[in-house]
Amino acid sequence: DAKTTQPTSMDCAEGRAANLPCNHSTISGNEYVYWYRQIHSQGPQYIIHGLKNNETNEMASLIITEDRKSSTLILPHATLRDTAVYYCIVRAYSGGGADGLTFGKGTHLIIQP
Amino acid sequence: NAGVTQTPKFQVLKTGQSMTLQCAQDMNHNSMYWYRQDPGMGLRLIYYSASEGTTDKGEVPNGYNVSRLNKREFSLRLESAAPSQTSVYFCASSDPPGVGITEAFFGQGTRLTVV
Repeated sequence: DAKTTQPTSMDCAEGRAANLPCNHSTISGNEYVYWYRQIHSQGPQYIIHGLKNNETNEMASLIITEDRKSSTLILPHATLRDTAVYYCIVRAYSGGGADGLTFGKGTHLIIQP
Repeated sequence: NAGVTQTPKFQVLKTGQSMTLQCAQDMNHNSMYWYRQDPGMGLRLIYYSASEGTTDKGEVPNGYNVSRLNKREFSLRLESAAPSQTSVYFCASSDPPGVGITEAFFGQGTRLTVV
């Protein structure tokens, strides 16, 4: 799996958009970009994933650059409950079975009131 | 919806004791996983089971054994607990589709302390 680089921590004001960057310059053509988050002491929660097109769901938007070497997760209207560690994971489909996700240290996003 | 259920939620063991962490999912997923998370670190994969009847080692398998009891249940056993195994353990499940990997669902964790 390609390596990802994320800032250690970020602050964002409540109600504003939170933009979390991720660099994955060695990504391969068949690798997807996944985002998960982990709220303190809980299990990680899936947010969104994409291959090359931008994606949006009820939680967030994922913007992937045209060369696919970086991406940005956007939480459009951050709330205090969005304070969490956000993990950017690059992963290829493994064919016959899913052999797990590789988690780095992620970005600790702190939403300020 | 229960999703992924782990038991127990907390456990304290003495060095050398054994125990089994239980995990069950009710989403009919094929794949199940065990991760550990040490303070300030990301999750590391211990073992996984791509489908019923198969298990494979992950990044940090030493000191652990697993059993995929049936499609729903995947247990993690510590035969002789060591202080280095003090950690939070997460179980997860997913169901790989034809293209890409769907989201993985995680349990709430088991907080294990070995003294």
